[in-house]
Amino acid sequence: AQTVTQSQPEMSVQEAETVTLSCTYDTSENNYYLFWYKQPPSRQMILVIRQEAYKQQNATENRFSVNFQKAAKSFSLKISDSQLGDTAMYFCAFMKRNRYGGSQGNLIFGKGTKLSVKP
Amino acid sequence: DTEVTQTPKHLVMGMTNKKSLKCEQHMGHRAMYWYKQKAKKPPELMFVYSYEKLSINESVPSRFSPECPNSSLLNLHLHALQPEDSALYLCASSPEGRRDPSNYGYTFGSGTRLTVV
Repeated sequence: AQTVTQSQPEMSVQEAETVTLSCTYDTSENNYYLFWYKQPPSRQMILVIRQEAYKQQNATENRFSVNFQKAAKSFSLKISDSQLGDTAMYFCAFMKRNRYGGSQGNLIFGKGTKLSVKP
Repeated sequence: DTEVTQTPKHLVMGMTNKKSLKCEQHMGHRAMYWYKQKAKKPPELMFVYSYEKLSINESVPSRFSPECPNSSLLNLHLHALQPEDSALYLCASSPEGRRDPSNYGYTFGSGTRLTVV
């Protein structure tokens, strides 16, 4: 069975600074996706960034980047130049990948990290 | 259209009522999901439809009844709920089958906030 662990229940950062959210996971699978989702108080779950396990290059999306360490089963999210709008709950998630590039099974979430960006 | 639309946004219902939650997407996704989310917790999977067929039912009580009338619509019928069923109900969709993995991911709706009184 797969598990996802987020060890930081809450974090805060000053506006314009950089913050890193941690995520570790446990799996015996070799082909999978990892995701970071953001859920602001408006409650919509928004995909921030995805990583395919077979790609060694770390994914980046504007101010968001990941540090993917497959051997260590670690998948941290770095937010640069933090903005007030980044205040949200952040969930790390895991999904097995089928041979066609789609999902195989459930999207497994960590417990989340509540990030507060302070002015 | 890259959205999943859920209605209603808020719902208050009594324990003897019957109501339905609706979810719609026009992205051509062939997998759709219902999740239940309690405050400060991650979403919990309830049901999965793949190509309009129920493929996963995570031991959800029968007072929740899903329906997938076509590839764009997903309903959740509610009957005789309990106060502990009060939660945010999220719908999501994802592509299935052969596709570009770099585009893969779930798209979530903004949810229905359900209160059972």
